[in-house]
Amino acid sequence: NAGVTQTPKFQVLKTGQSMTLQCAQDMNHNSMYWYRQDPGMGLRLIYYSASEGTTDKGEVPNGYNVSRLNKREFSLRLESAAPSQTSVYFCASLYGSMNTEAFFGQGTRLTVV
Amino acid sequence: GQQLNQSPQSMFIQEGEDVSMNCTSSSIFNTWLWYKQEPGEGPVLLIALYKAGELTSNGRLTAQFGITRKDSFLNISASIPSDVGIYFCAGLKAAGNKLTFGGGTRVLVKP
Repeated sequence: NAGVTQTPKFQVLKTGQSMTLQCAQDMNHNSMYWYRQDPGMGLRLIYYSASEGTTDKGEVPNGYNVSRLNKREFSLRLESAAPSQTSVYFCASLYGSMNTEAFFGQGTRLTVV
Repeated sequence: GQQLNQSPQSMFIQEGEDVSMNCTSSSIFNTWLWYKQEPGEGPVLLIALYKAGELTSNGRLTAQFGITRKDSFLNISASIPSDVGIYFCAGLKAAGNKLTFGGGTRVLVKP
């Protein structure tokens, strides 16, 4: 079981470039999440998808878009990267209902120069 | 900003000490989760709490779901050097499955 897989693990972008961070889970989880973590900070919710076909904004959605491609995959897109988006991005998923333990990927370290 | 207030922000531990940290919110949550994160890794689940008043242990860790459903605490007993890391609380609301994290408690070893 791979759990939650994020790609890429590292990325450097120039200001204004676009890119998509990929996340896939093989645990048949219903809900998926994207967080960002800045140095010395907690995890701030960018977007989440409670179930396939739905997405909602979190605390810090500006500058990002998401797509819940299917039940397994939830992607995060930066249309025009800015230095303020330099961060570590984590994807997480959970089943929901009576099983609400969320599992995380290993993170994507993004630097925007 | 963060809806969950986690304290303390950091603490120093000496081997053998018991330590505790807590999380409070103005909102009610249906589930409380506690995670530990080590450098360069994603958070790893330590304990999940599902009912108000619930007290759950995982080895030397004990966590409680507050009766008001607006708070939770985590205790580490007889701390050891490998307990260093960042501990996060997270609250899940049943409606919409929104999962919100606290700011973290950084546990360090006393020099």
